[in-house]
Amino acid sequence: KAGVTQTPRYLIKTRGQQVTLSCSPISGHRSVSWYQQTPGQGLQFLFEYFSETQRNKGNFPGRFSGRQFSNSRSEMNVSTLELGDSALYLCASSSPSGGGETQYFGPGTRLLVL
Amino acid sequence: KNEVEQSPQNLTAQEGEFITINCSYSVGISALHWLQQHPGGGIVSLFMLSSGKKKHGRLIATINIQEKHSSLHITASHPRDSAVYICAVKKGAQKLVFGQGTRLTINP
Repeated sequence: KAGVTQTPRYLIKTRGQQVTLSCSPISGHRSVSWYQQTPGQGLQFLFEYFSETQRNKGNFPGRFSGRQFSNSRSEMNVSTLELGDSALYLCASSSPSGGGETQYFGPGTRLLVL
Repeated sequence: KNEVEQSPQNLTAQEGEFITINCSYSVGISALHWLQQHPGGGIVSLFMLSSGKKKHGRLIATINIQEKHSSLHITASHPRDSAVYICAVKKGAQKLVFGQGTRLTINP
């Protein structure tokens, strides 16, 4: 089975712009979670989607949003980018119910905001 | 105080040494995960534990639910084990909460 894929792998944006990141889970996995990793804050949970519904949300401002499609692929969007949004964004998929099972991480999208 | 605390933050050892990384948490959990992150960012899930002990090759993970503590052991350490090891806990169906990570360096 192919692993979790994320696109793009690297991205440079300027303050005020918006960005959309994509995650394709392992085939058959219905749960997708998104995480932000920065040197200062470490790994932080953004949100989790299961069967197109947001099941959990972390403590991030409303500029961070996401969605999941019927094929389980997920996107996250960050609007009005700030310098502090520079980070590695990771998604992970799990199966089948998503509750507590092993998470399989993608390679991440490294976002730099200038 | 963070909900998940790891120690040590940094660990340097010689090849062949027995390594222990500790994780303490302050909340009731449904599962605890140990993750490995190599330079470049890729994260691999090593173990998911809800009780007892698990072993995979040279890696052993234990958890004591009463004491809210878990340990990750590496036997016969090798330079390729150099990575950041991250402990994360899950409360019921809620989000994963991560420790700050332990940076392990194994010198040849």
